[in-house]
Amino acid sequence: AQSVTQPDIHITVSEGASLELRCNYSYGATPYLFWYVQSPGQGLQLLLKYFSGDTLVQGIKGFEAEFKRSQSSFNLRKPSVHWSDAAEYFCAVAKTSYDKVIFGPGTSLSVIP
Amino acid sequence: KAGVTQTPRYLIKTRGQQVTLSCSPISGHRSVSWYQQTPGQGLQFLFEYFSETQRNKGNFPGRFSGRQFSNSRSEMNVSTLELGDSALYLCASSATSGRETQYFGPGTRLLVL
Repeated sequence: AQSVTQPDIHITVSEGASLELRCNYSYGATPYLFWYVQSPGQGLQLLLKYFSGDTLVQGIKGFEAEFKRSQSSFNLRKPSVHWSDAAEYFCAVAKTSYDKVIFGPGTSLSVIP
Repeated sequence: KAGVTQTPRYLIKTRGQQVTLSCSPISGHRSVSWYQQTPGQGLQFLFEYFSETQRNKGNFPGRFSGRQFSNSRSEMNVSTLELGDSALYLCASSATSGRETQYFGPGTRLLVL
């Protein structure tokens, strides 16, 4: 069965600092991977996705994620965090681009001015 | 273009009642998916429709059902409401059959008393 773990429940970073949110998945074949962000003002948004090809994918808001098959990971990164990045971040996995998606528990990000 | 709209935004029901939630996708989008979000279970996939056909369903009891109309608008129905059905119900629309791009509505917050 597919599953997603996000080891960090809550992370606090200073504005301008770099960010890495961890995501590990369990799935037998090559998964379809997603990162979503949820904030009170903007609701839920699809940040980026990995379907195939280049293992480093770019998303909106300056985020990127790297798929590492050997580590079953799909970590989200941003070089310089802005106060507006404070939100809940969800990693997700699916068998295909439209199959039922399994979400991780989420990581709450706080940003210190 | 107008975004994804969900009606109603807030709803209070009592146990045993049934409820119908509506989702209007972005104009031209043919795929609609539904999600349930609760503090205890997190984000969970409910079902996905493309061109009036349900393609996938999550692990929810038969009390949860949905449909999509020819204009791509979608409804989901929950019969015999239970306290545990209290949640934020989100819908998302996509232009294509996959999650190449995905836009979420603001959600319907359902409280079951």
